Amino acid sequence: ILNVEQSPQSLHVQEGDSTNFTCSFPSSNFYALHWYRWETAKSPEALFVMTLNGDEKKKGRISATLNTKEGYSYLYIKGSQPEDSATYLCAFAGGSQGNLIFGKGTKLSVKP
Amino acid sequence: KAGVTQTPRYLIKTRGQQVTLSCSPISGHRSVSWYQQTPGQGLQFLFEYFSETQRNKGNFPGRFSGRQFSNSRSEMNVSTLELGDSALYLCASSLARVSPGYEQYFGPGTRLTVT
Repeated sequence: ILNVEQSPQSLHVQEGDSTNFTCSFPSSNFYALHWYRWETAKSPEALFVMTLNGDEKKKGRISATLNTKEGYSYLYIKGSQPEDSATYLCAFAGGSQGNLIFGKGTKLSVKP
Repeated sequence: KAGVTQTPRYLIKTRGQQVTLSCSPISGHRSVSWYQQTPGQGLQFLFEYFSETQRNKGNFPGRFSGRQFSNSRSEMNVSTLELGDSALYLCASSLARVSPGYEQYFGPGTRLTVT
């Protein structure tokens, strides 16, 4: 059974703090790694889709890196804002015919 | 561009009944995936449909089934409901198959409660 682990499970930070989370996934048969943000009472929203080892993606204050050889991805948020409060999910796609396997997420709370 | 829509949004059923959930993908999207989320669990993959064919199925019993129509709309059916089927059911659409790296667009979900 393929496992995708995310850490930490939850995180409480002050507005303005920078933070990062980890997603660990199987290093074999890698095809893609997705990051989603899920705000309460909303639908999960795609942040990044990463396919190449060494990929770095950025969207505003949020960025992500990918290491497929060792099986991890980092998501960074610079200068956290209250509106960044959400659960951040990563999902691993193994093989061209496989489905997405989601981690349980990291719940971020940003205090004003 | 309209987003992914799911109906109904909330549903209460009793054990033993069956239920059908509907998902309309974003126009032009051909892949629809279904997920179940229960407290303490991540999103659990149910199945993926592409071009009216089931392409992948997760580790769920045969009581869970689905189909996709020619307009890419999809339905999910759960027969003989059990209390453990109470969950949020999300569908997601993408332009093509998920694995090649196309991001998924999620609907608002259907909250199913089984009593």
